[in-house]
Amino acid sequence: EADIYQTPRYLVIGTGKKITLECSQTMGHDKMYWYQQDPGMELHLIHYSYGVNSTEKGDLSSESTVSRIRTEHFPLTLESARPSHTSQYLCASSLTADPRYFGPGTRLLVL
Amino acid sequence: QKEVEQNSGPLSVPEGAIASLNCTYSDRGSQSFFWYRQYSGKSPELIMSIYSNGDKEDGRFTAQLNKASQYVSLLIRDSQPSDSATYLCAVKLGSGGGADGLTFGKGTHLIIQP
Repeated sequence: EADIYQTPRYLVIGTGKKITLECSQTMGHDKMYWYQQDPGMELHLIHYSYGVNSTEKGDLSSESTVSRIRTEHFPLTLESARPSHTSQYLCASSLTADPRYFGPGTRLLVL
Repeated sequence: QKEVEQNSGPLSVPEGAIASLNCTYSDRGSQSFFWYRQYSGKSPELIMSIYSNGDKEDGRFTAQLNKASQYVSLLIRDSQPSDSATYLCAVKLGSGGGADGLTFGKGTHLIIQP
């Protein structure tokens, strides 16, 4: 079973607030990913990293940023939350480029 | 044409029957294929991976890959109500694809009727 953790699991926040979604894994995986998924919809890759100090934007245009200072940690930051950011955010990691192991997700509601 | 296609369903199957889920992909050079199960409100869980033509069995699950026809299938034998979920197909495309090369389909919603 994959050991990948996300906090918080649920977050309700007001418009304009800065938020950071945490993701950490204890498997020593080099590759980490952030996906966004609306209910009943497909996964969209928003950021990924192939190792420390490596970050790339994904397919979905996003107003978020990420950092990768440590192998096990890959936080996602929204500088100014908006209602359009309401979604589920899924973190994943992998030893090679595939397959991905997903964390439990963070459900974000921006009022 | 989307790169990874799945019928969104819902696919309704009686309990105890075989559920058959299909996925087609666009790139003949694709090498790696995965099936994920996602319960409502939860994150995807990897259930099968397949890399070469033919069948791969794991318990009640069988993945089938046909590279010539560019499809991959997932069979679930003796379907149980707990199998009701959305099943995502993911393909490592040989070229193009997602920014990191792994492309997910939209998923098939499977309902097992007691």
